[in-house]
Amino acid sequence: GNSVTQMEGPVTLSEEAFLTINCTYTATGYPSLFWYVQYPGEGLQLLLKATKADDKGSNKGFEATYRKETTSFHLEKGSVQVSDSAVYFCALSGERDQAGTALIFGKGTTLSVSS
Amino acid sequence: EAGVTQSPTHLIKTRGQQVTLRCSPISGHTSVYWYQQALGLGLQFLLWYDEGEERNRGNFPPRFSGRQFPNYSSELNVNALELEDSALYLCASRSRGHNEQFFGPGTRLTVL
Repeated sequence: GNSVTQMEGPVTLSEEAFLTINCTYTATGYPSLFWYVQYPGEGLQLLLKATKADDKGSNKGFEATYRKETTSFHLEKGSVQVSDSAVYFCALSGERDQAGTALIFGKGTTLSVSS
Repeated sequence: EAGVTQSPTHLIKTRGQQVTLRCSPISGHTSVYWYQQALGLGLQFLLWYDEGEERNRGNFPPRFSGRQFPNYSSELNVNALELEDSALYLCASRSRGHNEQFFGPGTRLTVL
């Protein structure tokens, strides 16, 4: 079945450091891929998405590129801020003709940024 | 535009009791999903409702059930509560023709 694997955390960085959180997936066909962020005590917020190979999703300085050949969707940010401290989840859903299928999540990666 | 709302925010119950959680989707969204986020178990899919019908359910026992109303809001019911049902229950909504889901703040259920 479909699955998502994320790098184990926690990730601890200093402000303005470069961030990479690795995410790889197993799925048939061409799933849609997402990154969600969860701040302490809150629900999940959609950070970015990509729906087909080579698509790059971006938002708030975060980027991720859908790599079909390596089945990866790594999250990157050039300069993190203290306010980026949160838990980040990689997720996938079915292809367009399976629109509406439930999201499958990775286990989440905790990011802690210090000033 | 208002986001997904959930009630109550927190809930404390004892083993064997029953609980009902509520979710209102974003206006115009017709699909509602329920997920459980339990400590150490990550985010697991519970139920999917669309146009008033249950479309799919995750690997949870039948004591987890729910429904979707004509205005697309939804309820999640959990009967015969067990200690391991303690978790954050997240509701998400999706509009027709799109894949992304938008989440509410969750209901924190504690079973004693």
